[in-house]
Amino acid sequence: QKEVEQNSGPLSVPEGAIASLNCTYSDRGSQSFFWYRQYSGKSPELIMSIYSNGDKEDGRFTAQLNKASQYVSLLIRDSQPSDSATYLCAADTGRRALTFGSGTRLQVQP
Amino acid sequence: DAMVIQNPRYQVTQFGKPVTLSCSQTLNHNVMYWYQQKSSQAPKLLFHYYDKDFNNEADTPDNFQSRRPNTSFCFLDIRSPGLGDTAMYLCATSRDPGGTNTGELFFGEGSRLTVL
Repeated sequence: QKEVEQNSGPLSVPEGAIASLNCTYSDRGSQSFFWYRQYSGKSPELIMSIYSNGDKEDGRFTAQLNKASQYVSLLIRDSQPSDSATYLCAADTGRRALTFGSGTRLQVQP
Repeated sequence: DAMVIQNPRYQVTQFGKPVTLSCSQTLNHNVMYWYQQKSSQAPKLLFHYYDKDFNNEADTPDNFQSRRPNTSFCFLDIRSPGLGDTAMYLCATSRDPGGTNTGELFFGEGSRLTVL
């Protein structure tokens, strides 16, 4: 079982819609979670971090964490074509390093 | 601007010819990481330095080695690259928040290695 799992997609949404990206993790000891955006051929850049159960909002982005269900999600409101990228979910499993999922490719159709 | 810089950005090498990738940082972070990312796959941790302490992942091939001569620089040496080592190599840094937790990772632009 992979430590961090994501649906590879592609997830296709029309411009202006809400994109919902999901991630599950296997290590119950994981304490903090991160969403990174990666454009093709580029390095990952941090979008959101979340440490506590519930929602955390930052502009058009909302991260949601449910530790009981071992589930993390990222909502992107008013999706733009520039949001088209691969979104990587990462978990801190207490080894002073992040474990990444393989990412979900998001396509926002103009 | 403070940042993480990787060189070279692109490297083509022949099967078995040693390669060194470099990473420098001006963030003064005490933790530095090397990840390998193959096409459409998750970044895979190869090793990391916590200050001078070297931490090797159990499944990192012996072919891969690293050096960190000082806080600012870290090198990835691939002694005898194979075709399967074609990948993007990502250097990242973080400021240790304490305990066994991991802070935000700051990535360099990556070094894309092609082994022919």
